[in-house]
Amino acid sequence: EIVMTQSPATLSVSPGERATLSCRASQSVSSNLAWYQQKPGQAPRLLIYGASTRATGIPARFSGSGSGTEFTLTISSLQSEDFAVYYCQQYNNWRGTFGQGTKLEIK
Amino acid sequence: QVQLQESGPGLVKPSQTLSLTCTVSGGSISSGGYYWSWIRQHPGKGLEWIGYIYYSGSTYYNPSLKSRVTISVDTSKNQFSLKLSSVTAADTAVYYCARASGSYFFPYWGQGTLVTVSS
Repeated sequence: EIVMTQSPATLSVSPGERATLSCRASQSVSSNLAWYQQKPGQAPRLLIYGASTRATGIPARFSGSGSGTEFTLTISSLQSEDFAVYYCQQYNNWRGTFGQGTKLEIK
Repeated sequence: QVQLQESGPGLVKPSQTLSLTCTVSGGSISSGGYYWSWIRQHPGKGLEWIGYIYYSGSTYYNPSLKSRVTISVDTSKNQFSLKLSSVTAADTAVYYCARASGSYFFPYWGQGTLVTVSS
């Protein structure tokens, strides 16, 4: 099983600032990496797939980068609605696995 | 725009079988190219993939749950279902159905349903 490790567990950032979230895979997943945003009481929402392709309707302030085992989600200028939990997911094979999540909170 | 909706009992007794159904609208399960999936989230925790089914009936299960999981599809009703046997309190979670692309990521999710295992 490919283990996904996200860091930090909690990130405190002020509105308008940049947030950088990390995700590491225990072995290479090429660019088969997705990012999701989840707000309380809601289902996850796909933000990024293919490590760097924004999903339909996702604002340009969200960007993804990386390949192999190291990946980053950057939110360039935090808006109030961006404070949520973020998960990465590898889908290099049919048995996709998720990271444990990073909670992005208001500083 | 495809929409998914979970339904089923919110309370299941220990040792019994959890049964949920996902009804799909805005798209046909039979159209192919997608994997119809179940994912769960324990309270306050992360996401755990349970398994997929293809419209043809081919299934893929998380090895950690494989002995207890059955996912089936009813193309005539545009639904797919989850059965999880011999449940314990550790199976208490929000259960989501989702559609995976051919590349196994999840653009579409149901709203989720909380299933509590308790006597």
